[in-house]
Amino acid sequence: EADIYQTPRYLVIGTGKKITLECSQTMGHDKMYWYQQDPGMELHLIHYSYGVNSTEKGDLSSESTVSRIRTEHFPLTLESARPSHTSQYLCASSGDTQYFGPGTRLTVL
Amino acid sequence: KNQVEQSPQSLIILEGKNCTLQCNYTVSPFSNLRWYKQDTGRGPVSLTIMTFSENTKSNGRYTATLDADTKQSSLHITASQLSDSASYICVVSDRGSTLGRLYFGRGTQLTVWP
Repeated sequence: EADIYQTPRYLVIGTGKKITLECSQTMGHDKMYWYQQDPGMELHLIHYSYGVNSTEKGDLSSESTVSRIRTEHFPLTLESARPSHTSQYLCASSGDTQYFGPGTRLTVL
Repeated sequence: KNQVEQSPQSLIILEGKNCTLQCNYTVSPFSNLRWYKQDTGRGPVSLTIMTFSENTKSNGRYTATLDADTKQSSLHITASQLSDSASYICVVSDRGSTLGRLYFGRGTQLTVWP
């Protein structure tokens, strides 16, 4: 099992709140990713990072932001959550293959 | 347009039976193809990864095939178990960028009944 962790696993929050989804990996991978996945749909890349201080936007436009201050840590932040942000957010890192975290199920009321 | 199409969208089989899931892709240039298993509410877990030169790869009861000429792959599950109930996702990587861009299929939702 891959050593990549996400917290919280589930989050229900009101509109307008600021939230941070945590992602950590202990494999020393330089490349890390954030995906958004709606039920029954494919994963969409929203952010990625090649290493410390490197962040890029992915294919799907997202109002979230990310930071990469440490190799093992890649948090995602929403400054003002909206119901349209309700989704599952998956973090991943890659060496020879891509390993996924368990995901955070976000519900914005 | 680079795409990954999976079929069927959903499948129900009885425990102990075999099944085959299909993946067709148009991704070019091709680097590798991966099959992932995603349990409900969890992140995907890698089952197999195949490069251009590999035709088949097994992982226990899972056997993946790849035909790079026709751009088709299949995942065969033998002697299915209740724990095989999950979404199976086909992911194709290109060689067009340093990132090794990944293209995801929508998955096949497999349900195994006792």
